[in-house]
Amino acid sequence: GAGVSQSPRYKVAKRGQDVALRCDPISGHVSLFWYQQALGQGPEFLTYFQNEAQLDKSGLPSDRFFAERPEGSVSTLKIQRTQQEDSAVYLCASSLDGTSRLSSYNEQFFGPGTRLTVL
Amino acid sequence: AQKITQTQPGMFVQEKEAVTLDCTYDTSDPSYGLFWYKQPSSGEMIFLIYQGSYDQQNATEGRYSLNFQKARKSANLVISASQLGDSAMYFCAMKGTGFQKLVFGTGTRLLVSP
Repeated sequence: GAGVSQSPRYKVAKRGQDVALRCDPISGHVSLFWYQQALGQGPEFLTYFQNEAQLDKSGLPSDRFFAERPEGSVSTLKIQRTQQEDSAVYLCASSLDGTSRLSSYNEQFFGPGTRLTVL
Repeated sequence: AQKITQTQPGMFVQEKEAVTLDCTYDTSDPSYGLFWYKQPSSGEMIFLIYQGSYDQQNATEGRYSLNFQKARKSANLVISASQLGDSAMYFCAMKGTGFQKLVFGTGTRLLVSP
């Protein structure tokens, strides 16, 4: 079956431009996550959706970052007025369960990421 | 707050040998889960193995095993019989009760030589 897909895979933006990154989770997965991975670092949490509800956005670094999942499936991460420090790989992940149950069955499946470069 | 520490930026191993990747963690949660992910150059994070804090036995998945020492707060990944395809970044991560997000370490780059 299809995994998590993300588009575009690569995005180059001039500083000050707005960008939109798309995530298609695995069909039927309740939870969707966005992470930011800077070069040489581990992924860092940005935001989390359960169906269409954004339950945690504590990791969004500024109000220039906005995420939505209006129909509980596809999600878009939008970055307004991009800055050079926004350059990173943006990873999307989905999981089947909407609970916080600790189990390998609640594992997060990751997409290939979108590499954003801001010039 | 939860924190993962991976102190080995890089590790080298010869094909067919075993290798241990270190991971220590810090949390005040009484119940938590520990994960290992592999990230090849393609960028996708691949789930390898999971250990629950109350699991009685160390987790194993094929050539992967997790050496879980709760008192020392360590969750080291052991890869037996390394293969060339094991060359990648490896990340340790954890999740606490009531939290959905994963907290990752900085990763260890593993290079397997012929």
